[in-house]
Amino acid sequence: EAQVTQNPRYLITVTGKKLTVTCSQNMNHEYMSWYRQDPGLGLRQIYYSMNVEVTDKGDVPEGYKVSRKEKRNFPLILESPSPNQTSLYFCASTYTGEMWNTEAFFGQGTRLTVV
Amino acid sequence: GENVEQHPSTLSVQEGDSAVIKCTYSDSASNYFPWYKQELGKRPQLIIDIRSNVGEKKDQRIAVTLNKTAKHFSLHITETQPEDSAVYFCAAQFRPMNRDDKIIFGKGTRLHILP
Repeated sequence: EAQVTQNPRYLITVTGKKLTVTCSQNMNHEYMSWYRQDPGLGLRQIYYSMNVEVTDKGDVPEGYKVSRKEKRNFPLILESPSPNQTSLYFCASTYTGEMWNTEAFFGQGTRLTVV
Repeated sequence: GENVEQHPSTLSVQEGDSAVIKCTYSDSASNYFPWYKQELGKRPQLIIDIRSNVGEKKDQRIAVTLNKTAKHFSLHITETQPEDSAVYFCAAQFRPMNRDDKIIFGKGTRLHILP
């Protein structure tokens, strides 16, 4: 079954304690991306990756890091989380080709609370 | 870069009536326009999409129209039902994707279907 898997689904942590949210896809997609979803602000892109070892900043990259060492995995790292990073996070992946297989698949979401 | 404006942010319609959500985009090179539906507590999922070489596409009660000249596209839902209550996101992209291409989403429309 084609899927994007994020872990954990829920996380409560304290300010400054490093954390990693994992994302894995089994569709051999080149493109992977992280979004945060906040009320009234929609889906804002944090980082994206076109392929292995290629990562680029999205619209709200401050306070986040990513890596793409393997095609299937794209972890999101918060080195020193702060309360303003409390949000719902989604990982997504898609094929980068022309006009077929263009759907973006989303993970189940990770609800992060930083206290 | 691409910017996508989505209106309205909230929409309430009586069950059985029609709902229309509108999006405008800034980059005239965009050629692929998907719509995603996010039910409460769930991940966004693709419901319909349209390519720039097509003016309209229909799938049962859902239709999307595209006006390339005006750079806007709309989602139309007819005979609305309770299960249509959700947040809807539009997006604009260029396909095939290059390194500078990102998937940019509108801020979302929360659709309420009233009994």
